[in-house]
Amino acid sequence: QKEVEQDPGPLSVPEGAIVSLNCTYSNSAFQYFMWYRQYSRKGPELLMYTYSSGNKEDGRFTAQVDKSSKYISLFIRDSQPSDSATYLCAMRKAAGNKLTFGGGTRVLVKP
Amino acid sequence: GAGVSQSPRYKVAKRGQDVALRCDPISGHVSLFWYQQALGQGPEFLTYFQNEAQLDKSGLPSDRFFAERPEGSVSTLKIQRTQQEDSAVYLCASSLGTGAPGVETQYFGPGTRLLVL
Repeated sequence: QKEVEQDPGPLSVPEGAIVSLNCTYSNSAFQYFMWYRQYSRKGPELLMYTYSSGNKEDGRFTAQVDKSSKYISLFIRDSQPSDSATYLCAMRKAAGNKLTFGGGTRVLVKP
Repeated sequence: GAGVSQSPRYKVAKRGQDVALRCDPISGHVSLFWYQQALGQGPEFLTYFQNEAQLDKSGLPSDRFFAERPEGSVSTLKIQRTQQEDSAVYLCASSLGTGAPGVETQYFGPGTRLLVL
């Protein structure tokens, strides 16, 4: 069983809808939580990062962390076709620098 | 102001060949990471450098994989005697490496797509 689980999708939504993504993890040592977006044949780019349990908002993006349930979420409001990509959750332990990624969820936003 | 660059972008190798993948990090970035991304999967950590020192190589899958960063800037990932299971995208990332608490953004390159036939 992988340390970080993520539904691979694809998740298809109409333009303007809310996209809801999530990851679960098994290792309570993970303290930092990130969401990356990866377009086809490109490297991942950081969208959001959070440390504490609760919500963090940045424009159309909201990240949630529930450490007690070992569950993180990303919501994308007013989705656009340009949001079509693979979304990767990533986590890091307090000590160390390496990131542990989920498998990624492919999102398709249809005009 | 260039980002992380990687070369070659695509590499086709016959099984048993040696390959070398290059990473040019963002200028001034102390930390450099290599990840392997299989098709349809998330990236998996291979190894980490701080300047020229390789501080973590726990993710290298076998002794056929070797990475170096001799002058603390450009890094090379070498794979000897390539196998079909080595086919993947190899991603390089760099970060400032200030050591400040919290999350430092890792900036990823576009990757090298390796296909072993």
